[in-house]
Amino acid sequence: DQQVKQNSPSLSVQEGRISILNCDYTNSMFDYFLWYKKYPAEGPTFLISISSIKDKNEDGRFTVFLNKSAKHLSLHIVPSQPGDSAVYFCAARVSSARQLTFGSGTQLTVLP
Amino acid sequence: EADIYQTPRYLVIGTGKKITLECSQTMGHDKMYWYQQDPGMELHLIHYSYGVNSTEKGDLSSESTVSRIRTEHFPLTLESARPSHTSQYLCASTTAGTGRATFFGQGTRLTVV
Repeated sequence: DQQVKQNSPSLSVQEGRISILNCDYTNSMFDYFLWYKKYPAEGPTFLISISSIKDKNEDGRFTVFLNKSAKHLSLHIVPSQPGDSAVYFCAARVSSARQLTFGSGTQLTVLP
Repeated sequence: EADIYQTPRYLVIGTGKKITLECSQTMGHDKMYWYQQDPGMELHLIHYSYGVNSTEKGDLSSESTVSRIRTEHFPLTLESARPSHTSQYLCASTTAGTGRATFFGQGTRLTVV
């Protein structure tokens, strides 16, 4: 049973526009959420995170929104740049457990 | 930038060989993890350690073993590699406390022929 789901395997966006990556989760015990970016043959790089006590966290071009009632979070990238093209993983954890549960990733392609 | 290193980056090896994937971090993190990822699939936790001499199996069953004799070092060993072990292996570490991110190494892409 997949506890963290990224239902869109791929997304294409024009440069300069907004990219919205979505993630759903089923485990209501998750209290911390993270987004990672991964290039081919590289390890995931941490992007941004959000605690369950917040509903929004912003860092430069990246904003993460959390809707606890819907068990949904999203990553907004604006404006999108070609260098943002990568696989984006949503991850979640229960603080006491420490290990992360990952979604299957969404391949973002930003077209110049 | 996180200081966590994995070697080798790529490894092609024959069936039946014993291999060790190295992972080291210089951040003094107490918690370390091994994840396995097949192309297009989610990362699955296969091993974790909360400190020296502490190792546990993760969510995904794996024939690999790990050891944690030193804080900075968390190697993964396959005693007899098989083609089904072909995958990408990612090592990660994090500090104690909430609100901290997990940092990953660059991964080892293993191919068993």
